[in-house]
Amino acid sequence: DIQMTQSPSSVSASVGDRVTITCRASQGISSWLAWYQQKPGKAPKLLIYAASSLQSGVPSRFSGSGSGTDFTLTISSLQPEDFATYYCQQANSFPVTFGQGTRLEIK
Amino acid sequence: QVQLVQSGAEVKKPGASVKVSCKASGYTFTSYYMHWVRQAPGQGLEWMGIINPSGGSTSYAQKFQGRVTMTRDTSTSTVYMELSSLRSEDTAVYYCARSLTDNYMDVWGKGTTVTVSS
Repeated sequence: DIQMTQSPSSVSASVGDRVTITCRASQGISSWLAWYQQKPGKAPKLLIYAASSLQSGVPSRFSGSGSGTDFTLTISSLQPEDFATYYCQQANSFPVTFGQGTRLEIK
Repeated sequence: QVQLVQSGAEVKKPGASVKVSCKASGYTFTSYYMHWVRQAPGQGLEWMGIINPSGGSTSYAQKFQGRVTMTRDTSTSTVYMELSSLRSEDTAVYYCARSLTDNYMDVWGKGTTVTVSS
């Protein structure tokens, strides 16, 4: 199975800050990577697919980059509604696997 | 609008089975795969498996092989996930989510809470 490792596990930031979350795959997955946002008590929401493609309706302050084994999710200017947990997911092969999550908290 | 409506919360005893449903609407049911993902309390997301509603083929995570069965009913646009031999560690919220062949899950159900307790 492909292991996905996110860092950091949690981060504190302020409204307006730029935040970057990293995801590393245990083997190359080309660009087969997605990012999801999850708020407490809610289902995950797809933000980014194919490593850098923005899902329809997602604000442009979210961006993704990377290929192979190293990926990043960047939020350019944090908004109050962005405080949530973020997960990466590899879509290269079965079993689909997720990172352990990064909790983004208000400083 | 596109939506996945899941069945209600369940409470089961250890050793029992649970069957969760996920009814799709607003799109062509057989054009998208359906995944099942679970989340234990305070934990991350765990992929359980996938079903192709078109032909019914499935692929399960090794961890659940032999205990999980995913089926579909094309007449009602519903997929089902049955998990047997339940134990306390199976207490979780179970989500269905659709994707194309790319495995990017763009629409999710609201989740079904399954509690396993004696």
